[in-house]
Parts: sequence; C-alpha cells; structure tokens
Amino acid sequence: DAGVIQSPRHEVTEMGQEVTLRCKPISGHNSLFWYRQTMMRGLELLIYFNNNVPIDDSGMPEDRFSAKMPNASFSTLKIQPSEPRDSAVYFCASRVDRANTEAFFGQGTRLTVV
Amino acid sequence: DAKTTQPNSMESNEEEPVHLPCNHSTISGTDYIHWYRQLPSQGPEYVIHGLTSNVNNRMASLAIAEDRKSSTLILHRATLRDAAVYYCILTTISGGSNYKLTFGKGTLLTVNP
Repeated sequence: DAGVIQSPRHEVTEMGQEVTLRCKPISGHNSLFWYRQTMMRGLELLIYFNNNVPIDDSGMPEDRFSAKMPNASFSTLKIQPSEPRDSAVYFCASRVDRANTEAFFGQGTRLTVV
Repeated sequence: DAKTTQPNSMESNEEEPVHLPCNHSTISGTDYIHWYRQLPSQGPEYVIHGLTSNVNNRMASLAIAEDRKSSTLILHRATLRDAAVYYCILTTISGGSNYKLTFGKGTLLTVNP
C-alpha cells in the first residue's frame, strides 16, 4: 500500500478563496482523522470519521470548515472562505478503529493563505 | 478525556540511551498508551503502544508503571535520526466503541553528536 495520500502537498491561495484538501486513506482502514498543525497550537484534531460517518467534529474551528467522506477511500476538508489565520499544515491519518491499532499519517498539506 | 503530561524538551548524546517520561494519572482501565514521533517536516509516525505490560519493538521499548499512571519510552541507543518531537497519547473511548487520537505538545528530543 502507498500509505495515506494527501493532495496537494502545498497550496497558496488568496484570502476569501475556497480551498479543498484531499485525502486517500489506507485500504481497509475504517477511521480517518483530519489534523491541523501550527507552531502556536500544535497538532489539533479537527474531525474524525468512522465508517465514513463523522463521529466527532468538535475540533472544527468554525462554519468555514467542512469535511466529507463520501466513501471509504476518499475524504475532503474544505475551507470557504479562507483566511490568513488558516495557514497551517493539515494532516490526514487513518487506522483500523480499535484502541490498540496504529494510525498512519500522510505527508500533510502546507496551506498558505495570503 | 484522560490527559498526558510530558517535559517540553530533553537532550541526549548520540549512542546513549534516552528515557522519555509521560504522566497519565487519570488513565482509565481500558486506555492504551501510545507513542508517536514527528520528525522535522514530516507527519507523525507510530512508535509503540501498550496496555499493562512492558513492550519492545525494533524502534523502542515501553515501560509502564504498575499503577499505569506513568510510562517511559526508551530509545536504547539514540541516533541523530531520532531527533524529533515525541508524543505520548491515550486512546480514549469517545462515544460508543470509537477511539480518537488527541495529541498534546509532546517532548522535543535533541540528540547531540
């Protein structure tokens, strides 16, 4: 397996534009996580899905953020409209949903909003 | 959610053992202890996990206190490639049987040549 695949790796956009980040989890994994990482706030859990259903979205900062998982092999995180404070590295991770399984992370998407 | 406490930073010399501590005094009986690390400019990667007994794998060892309120990640011979942020986290039940992963600040390990 190629691991968790995120795209794009880098994104530069202007304030107010819509941004869509994409994630392909590892086949067979039924949990998917979206994280945001900044120097100030560290690694924050935004939302996680189990069997394509959002289980906990309490970390989603505000209504400008939305996440979907239309099937077991694809998820998106959308920011509309984007703001400079959304600049961060966004990670996607997947795992089998049990307490004793490891999570695999993608390489991340570095988002810069100017 | 059960929380973990780690030192902000630690320093080690190359080829020496490193003991990274983690306190989790509010751990519940069904919580697993996981360790991840994040190398510069990469996503976090799994290191090791355990429940009650000490665990060993090719990367590290995990020593768990008898009361489970603390644990220690042991790197037997640190290399420069082990310089990273190390996270100790608990997999906590969050609604039904689902387990979410919540990261704290971690410990920044510096390895001196």
